[in-house]
Amino acid sequence: QVQLVESGGGLVKPGGSLRLSCAASGFTFSDSFMTWIRQAPGKGLEWVSHISNLGYAFYDADSVKGRLTISRDNTENTLFLQMNSLRVEDTAIYYCARQSAFAGGALDLWGQGTLVTVSS
Amino acid sequence: DIQVTQSPSSLSASVGDRVTITCRPSQSIDNSLNWYQQRPGETPKLLIYEASSLQSGVPSRFSGSDSGTDFTLTITSLQPEDFATYYCQQSYIVPYTFGQGTRLEI
Repeated sequence: QVQLVESGGGLVKPGGSLRLSCAASGFTFSDSFMTWIRQAPGKGLEWVSHISNLGYAFYDADSVKGRLTISRDNTENTLFLQMNSLRVEDTAIYYCARQSAFAGGALDLWGQGTLVTVSS
Repeated sequence: DIQVTQSPSSLSASVGDRVTITCRPSQSIDNSLNWYQQRPGETPKLLIYEASSLQSGVPSRFSGSDSGTDFTLTITSLQPEDFATYYCQQSYIVPYTFGQGTRLEI
C-alpha cells in the first residue's frame, strides 16, 4: 500500500525539542524528493522544508531556518524533521508529502499528519 | 520568496453551480502552479498540477487554466463533496509557497 505515516508529535514546552518521523511504504522512497508542510489550527498550509531524493540538497523556509532540520534515511524509508528551540507559533499539524517526479513538483501523496503543540 | 495571492478567501455556492478560484503569483512561474482540495478534518489532496493537468482519479468537473498572469481553478456542476477549502501552490522556486486558501461553502 502506497502511504506515508507520520509520528512523533506531542506537547512540548517553548524552547524544547521534538523529532518527527514519516515512514514511507509502497513506492521507491529513494527516488522521491520529500517535503514537510504544516498547518496551524484553523489556518492555511505552510511549506516548511524539502529534501532531495538522496538527501544532498535541502531547503528550509525562513520561518524555521536554523531550528527545524529535515533529513532522511533511505535504508529505513523514513523522513525526519528535527525540531529545536520550539516556539508557540510552531504549533501545527505537520504533514509529510511526496513530490511527484511526473507532476512538476506537485505533492501527490500526503501523510495523515502529526500534531505538535508548543505550550507552557 | 514568491507570494501567491488567492481569491476569494471564501465563496458561497449551491449544488450544481459553477465556481472559479484565482491565484496570482508575485512573479512569473511558467506553468508551475498546483491546486489542492482539503475537506474538513482530512489531508490535502492534489487536484491539478502544472496549471491544467488533472491528477489521476480526480473528476473531470475540476479544471485549471493559465492566463499568463493569473491561474484559475474551475469547478463545474458542484457536488456536495466539493464543499471544502482549496489551495494553490507554486512549485517554480523554493520555498514552494501556498496561497491563503479559499473556503467553498454551501
